[in-house]
Amino acid sequence: ETGVTQTPRHLVMGMTNKKSLKCEQHLGHNAMYWYKQSAKKPLELMFVYSLEERVENNSVPSRFSPECPNSSHLFLHLHTLQPEDSALYLCASSQEPANPGNEQFFGPGTRLTVL
Amino acid sequence: GQNIDQPTEMTATEGAIVQINCTYQTSGFNGLFWYQQHAGEAPTFLSYNVLDGLEEKGRFSSFLSRSKGYSYLLLKELQMKDSASYLCAVMDSNYQLIWGAGTKLIIKP
Repeated sequence: ETGVTQTPRHLVMGMTNKKSLKCEQHLGHNAMYWYKQSAKKPLELMFVYSLEERVENNSVPSRFSPECPNSSHLFLHLHTLQPEDSALYLCASSQEPANPGNEQFFGPGTRLTVL
Repeated sequence: GQNIDQPTEMTATEGAIVQINCTYQTSGFNGLFWYQQHAGEAPTFLSYNVLDGLEEKGRFSSFLSRSKGYSYLLLKELQMKDSASYLCAVMDSNYQLIWGAGTKLIIKP
């Protein structure tokens, strides 16, 4: 495997379910990100981790809970979501979070539908 | 507030040239990125500009004017595979990427 992988690619869940999204990067990067992408809207940064420590949390509701056990893996735990949380969730990684010019490498995303 | 503006959709003809504009107002500036995103796929990096001027990379070029808060992505010799969304993003003073909503480019034969 190369680059950034995400599982599952598609997820349908009810509002009372608990599920987790997984992201893995094989690039040796130190920073990982969760983004939310809704149709015709800008990418919304949710969380940033640098060397397994959370450095940014952009006022995300507590029903989204990130976990970064090591620099290669990132999880997003979901519980009691709302229908408006339906979106494409993208994971990304970069060498450093605070270094101009460091491009971010994205995974293919998880298409989440909340019923 | 911080804002990135780009057209929602553009249409161009195969073999032609198209210019996608991006204007921005951000708290600080640490460079501007262009990404390409095909439907259902991950965004992929195209270019990075931090100094004024034109950066050329094959059929794609990106221009930046910091004084005007303006950039454009120029695509030459358009191919059908260039049909995608093009995302403009600015890195602000906190090193966060502020994203535009993307420009959907439709290429017609």
